[in-house]
Amino acid sequence: EAAVTQSPRSKVAVTGGKVTLSCHQTNNHDYMYWYRQDTGHGLRLIHYSYVADSTEKGDIPDGYKASRPSQENFSLILELASLSQTAVYFCASRRTGASYEQYFGPGTRLTVL
Amino acid sequence: GDSVTQTEGQVALSEEDFLTIHCNYSASGYPALFWYVQYPGEGPQFLFRASRDKEKGSSRGFEATYNKEATSFHLQKASVQESDSAVYYCALSDYNNRIFFGDGTQLVVKP
Repeated sequence: EAAVTQSPRSKVAVTGGKVTLSCHQTNNHDYMYWYRQDTGHGLRLIHYSYVADSTEKGDIPDGYKASRPSQENFSLILELASLSQTAVYFCASRRTGASYEQYFGPGTRLTVL
Repeated sequence: GDSVTQTEGQVALSEEDFLTIHCNYSASGYPALFWYVQYPGEGPQFLFRASRDKEKGSSRGFEATYNKEATSFHLQKASVQESDSAVYYCALSDYNNRIFFGDGTQLVVKP
């Protein structure tokens, strides 16, 4: 079965610190995505990637960097974490092709203090 | 740009009620349309899709029909159960492989 895992599942960070969220997929999918979800709100796209060593900006990329060192791994990096980045972060993977669905990971709850 | 609109932020029903969650989209051509469901503490899960006009997608008793004229993909279920309580997201995928999600609809089903 398709699988997307995220680590850590929960993290507390200090303002101004560096945070790295990791995502690993065993689906052999080309596309990977990072979303944030705020309480009571929907999913907002931060960054995505369709091939290793290349990333693209989504709708809310400011304050975030992404890295895709291999097809299986996709990281989200907060160089200087801020209070406003407290949220739940989801990673997803997907096959190339408009009709294919996304497979989501379980999420990482990030709290910035 | 492409977008998805879900008009209901929250829907409250009793068990065995009929469910409709409205989804309208804005996009050129024939985007693929999806419904996802998210349970508390989990990531969204794919429910079903439709890729062409008048195609019906369905899963677990839920269904929706692609209506290009009305630009809609409304989610329906004839008889909801308490276990259906979750957040439901409508989404579209365009030919650039971009995904657009609606804001989600919280379904609360009372026993």
